[in-house]
Parts: sequence; structure tokens; C-alpha cells
Amino acid sequence: AQKITQTQPGMFVQEKEAVTLDCTYDTSDPSYGLFWYKQPSSGEMIFLIYQGSYDQQNATEGRYSLNFQKARKSANLVISASQLGDSAMYFCALFRDNYGQNFVFGPGTRLSVLP
Amino acid sequence: EPEVTQTPSHQVTQMGQEVILRCVPISNHLYFYWYRQILGQKVEFLVSFYNNEISEKSEIFDDQFSVERPDGSNFTLKIRSTKLEDSAMYFCATQRGAKNIQYFGAGTRLSVL
Repeated sequence: AQKITQTQPGMFVQEKEAVTLDCTYDTSDPSYGLFWYKQPSSGEMIFLIYQGSYDQQNATEGRYSLNFQKARKSANLVISASQLGDSAMYFCALFRDNYGQNFVFGPGTRLSVLP
Repeated sequence: EPEVTQTPSHQVTQMGQEVILRCVPISNHLYFYWYRQILGQKVEFLVSFYNNEISEKSEIFDDQFSVERPDGSNFTLKIRSTKLEDSAMYFCATQRGAKNIQYFGAGTRLSVL
């Protein structure tokens, strides 16, 4: 069975500083994808970044980067230069790269950016 | 313009009543998903739908639930007889592209009284 662990229920970061949100996963599939979503207080789920299991380089999308360590089965999200608008819940999700498969979500980390 | 539009944004219903939650993707997406998020908890998979049929469902998706795509654009989730524990945020997601990125709607908050 697939499983996602996010060990930090809550994190605080000072505005303009970088923060790392942890994510470890467990899967026996050789091909999979790892995703991060942001959920602000308004409730919607916003796609941030994707990492494929065969990707050689760590994914980056603007201020977001993914520190992918395949042997350790970790896919930590790094947010650089935090902004007040980054305050939200962040979910790590695992997608098995097969037809019709779904996401397995982690429990989430609540990030609070302090002015 | 969002990839996925969900209606209504909030639905209040009495226990035992039927509800239909709607989802409209912006373009010709092939894969559709419904997820549920009970307040303060993680997002849980309900069902995936491809080529007009269910491709996978979770243990949550029991006989009270059904999905369909009645007119080729709308994608609906029906709960036949709601229970108090069905109160949650329900997300529709569609998938496109080689990276399997799922784009979520803004959700429907269902409150069962």
C-alpha cells in the first residue's frame, strides 16, 4: 500500500526566509509521481510542483523547489523567500503511474509566515 | 479561468436527503476524480472515472455514492441518502498532460444536518 508521511503538523517561518516542508513516501511501484498542493484558508487545492520518479533533476517552479532523494524516499518542498501569502496548508501527494490510479495524500503541514 | 468549476460552493441538506454535486472541466479532459476532505483532516480519494466508467473506487465509495457524466461535460457525484458523517468538502479533479497533474476545483462544502 502507498503511504505519505508529513511529520510537521505546523511550521513557522519569518517573511523572506526559506522553509523546508518534509515529505516521505512509501511505495513499491517503480514509476510514480510526487506532487505538492497548497490549500489556503479559502479551501481550494492549488497545484505547486511535480517530481517524476525517473526525473534526474530536482523540480523547480519559481520560488518552489523539490528536494527529491529517491533512495531515502523523500520529496521535501523548499519555499524560498517566504511571503505572507504562503501561509496555508501544504499537502504532499503520491501518484502511481498507472491508468486510473489516484492520489494518496499526506496529512498536511500548516505553514504560517510571520511578518 | 479555473480548470475545473464546481457547483454549488456550499450545500446544506437534511440527513437522508439526496444531493448531487457538479463539476465542469474547462476542456476535453479524460480523467475525473472525486476526493473528500473532512474538516481538519487529509484529502481522501473516493473514485476515478475514465471513458465514461468508474476505473477505481475506495472503500468510502459505497452503494450510497454514484458518479456519472450525463451530457459529456458535467461530471456529477450523487449521494443517495446523506448521513451526518458525509459532511465534508468534496473536490472534483481532472487530469491532463503526461505528468498526471490533477487540477482541483474549488470544492463543494457539504453540510448534513
